[in-house]
Amino acid sequence: TQLLEQSPQFLSIQEGENLTVYCNSSSVFSSLQWYRQEPGEGPVLLVTVVTGGEVKKLKRLTFQFGDARKDSSLHITAAQPGDTGLYLCRYGGSQGNLIFGKGTKLSVKP
Amino acid sequence: DAGITQSPRHKVTETGTPVTLRCHQTENHRYMYWYRQDPGHGLRLIHYSYGVKDTDKGEVSDGYSVSRSKTEDFLLTLESATSSQTSVYFCAISTGHSVGNEQFFGPGTRLTVL
Repeated sequence: TQLLEQSPQFLSIQEGENLTVYCNSSSVFSSLQWYRQEPGEGPVLLVTVVTGGEVKKLKRLTFQFGDARKDSSLHITAAQPGDTGLYLCRYGGSQGNLIFGKGTKLSVKP
Repeated sequence: DAGITQSPRHKVTETGTPVTLRCHQTENHRYMYWYRQDPGHGLRLIHYSYGVKDTDKGEVSDGYSVSRSKTEDFLLTLESATSSQTSVYFCAISTGHSVGNEQFFGPGTRLTVL
């Protein structure tokens, strides 16, 4: 079973600031996914990264997969209150091994 | 939005009583999952199913059983609920064919065991 460490655990920032959250493991990922969960709802997929060194952009969100496929980061530019939520990374492996990290809880204040 | 519903959405029960949570999908996806979400632990996989009557354990399966008699329904049963099973329970579905096994989640069931 792969363990995913996410940091920071909590992050509170002002609107307009930039931020980066991290997802790390001691093992190599075959692929990795980022989800966002808003209060009272289930997680929703943001992106899947597969190739080492891959960078994907989704509007103001930039996702990077480490060259060795052991780590990933999510960078948000000019954060907005609508970005508030719990950001989760998940190992994209076999069906019984779809393990999530504990998440980063982001609060963006107006 | 993926067609996933969970029932009930909220439930309060007493220790020792049986509880069944239902997940229903209209997507005809092969895979279905039950997770629980607790502060400090994140989402943890309880059980999953890879077809009708085909199920397997996840990382926190003790005290839980599941059944899948139809493609669209996946039931999670707590035979004798304990206070440690107070949690928010999420059902998810997946085709199993997408890169990384994209999962679609239901809205969750908040269970309180007194």
